[in-house]
Amino acid sequence: ENVLTQFPGTLSVSPGERATLSCRASHSVGSNFLAWYQQKPGQAPTLLIYGASNRATGIPDRFSGSGSATDFSLTINRLEPEDSAVYYCQQYAASPLTFGGGTKVEI
Amino acid sequence: EVQLVESGGGLVQPGGSLRLSCAASGFTFSTYWMNWVRQAPGKGLEWVANVKQDGSETNYVDSVKGRFTISRDNAKSSVYLRLNDLRADDTAVYYCAGGNGWLILTWGQGAPVTVSS
Repeated sequence: ENVLTQFPGTLSVSPGERATLSCRASHSVGSNFLAWYQQKPGQAPTLLIYGASNRATGIPDRFSGSGSATDFSLTINRLEPEDSAVYYCQQYAASPLTFGGGTKVEI
Repeated sequence: EVQLVESGGGLVQPGGSLRLSCAASGFTFSTYWMNWVRQAPGKGLEWVANVKQDGSETNYVDSVKGRFTISRDNAKSSVYLRLNDLRADDTAVYYCAGGNGWLILTWGQGAPVTVSS
């Protein structure tokens, strides 16, 4: 099983600032099949990034993903109040699919 | 509009069974891998199981192997999760989710399952 560790656990930032979230895998993620999801309270997750660096349809370019192998990051530029949420990384290269524990972003 | 609607959640006693259903619309269901992902109260996301487009392949997280069964009916654009021998730590919101290969593109709103006596 590929264990994903996200850090920090919580990030407190001000509107307009930049946030960088990290995700480390215990094993290399094949083909960089790493996705990022955003989950707001009481809602289902939504896909932000797939393939480590590709934005999903309709996702603003303030969101960007990078990284490869075992180290990945999600950067959110020009933070807006609506970006307050928990962000999860997930590898979809190998079964079992696994999620990181999440990073809560507070604005 | 792509939509996944779960049903069948509820309160069940330890050792009991439940069947979750998920009805899909707005996309070609038979081309998607379908998944169930759960989230215990106040916790993170845990992938549970998935099933291939034609139902010929299924995968499960170890903690549910032998107890849960995922299946699908492409004629009804529906995916199911049979939950047997339920335990307290199976208490969670169960999300139906689908996508391209193993990438999850779309999620339902979730069905709550509570295991308690």
